[in-house]
Amino acid sequence: AQSVSQHNHHVILSEAASLELGCNYSYGGTVNLFWYVQYPGQHLQLLLKYFSGDPLVKGIKGFEAEFIKSKFSFNLRKPSVQWSDTAEYFCAVKGNTPLVFGKGTRLSVIA
Amino acid sequence: DAGVIQSPRHEVTEMGQEVTLRCKPISGHNSLFWYRQTMMRGLELLIYFNNNVPIDDSGMPEDRFSAKMPNASFSTLKIQPSEPRDSAVYFCASTTGGLGPYTFGSGTRLTVV
Repeated sequence: AQSVSQHNHHVILSEAASLELGCNYSYGGTVNLFWYVQYPGQHLQLLLKYFSGDPLVKGIKGFEAEFIKSKFSFNLRKPSVQWSDTAEYFCAVKGNTPLVFGKGTRLSVIA
Repeated sequence: DAGVIQSPRHEVTEMGQEVTLRCKPISGHNSLFWYRQTMMRGLELLIYFNNNVPIDDSGMPEDRFSAKMPNASFSTLKIQPSEPRDSAVYFCASTTGGLGPYTFGSGTRLTVV
């Protein structure tokens, strides 16, 4: 069965700082990978997804993620964060079962 | 497109009472999922349906939990009797086919006192 590990529980950044959130998964087969964002009090929204092809995928709001198969990783990045990026970020993997989510990383962006 | 619609948004109930959560998936989506979100355990899959048929309910914590999908546009998750440890946010999600990203509803925040 697949599993997802997100290394950082809570990240605090100043506005304009660069962001990288780690995500590793365990599954030996073909996977589809996702990052979702949950703003305070709201539901999960899709940021970006990887199915196949170019391992560098771009999503909404300037986010991107890179799939590195050899490292079983799918880290999320953003060059310059804004206060409005304050939210919880979830990495998710789909192998031969429905989406499995990591525990999430809370991002706090301060002015 | 109205998205995935869940009701109620908030539910406060007393221990021992029956609770029913409702979900209307996106029209045309043939897979529906119920997740539970808590601080301690994160997002856990409870059960999912393909074409209205329950496929895997191994995530349902106890016999107190049951879910139905009588047609393609409606699903319920019932807890009877409810307990304080059931307090969580319950999300419904839907998708089409096996690969599409899931679209989540706004969730139901359940508090059992």
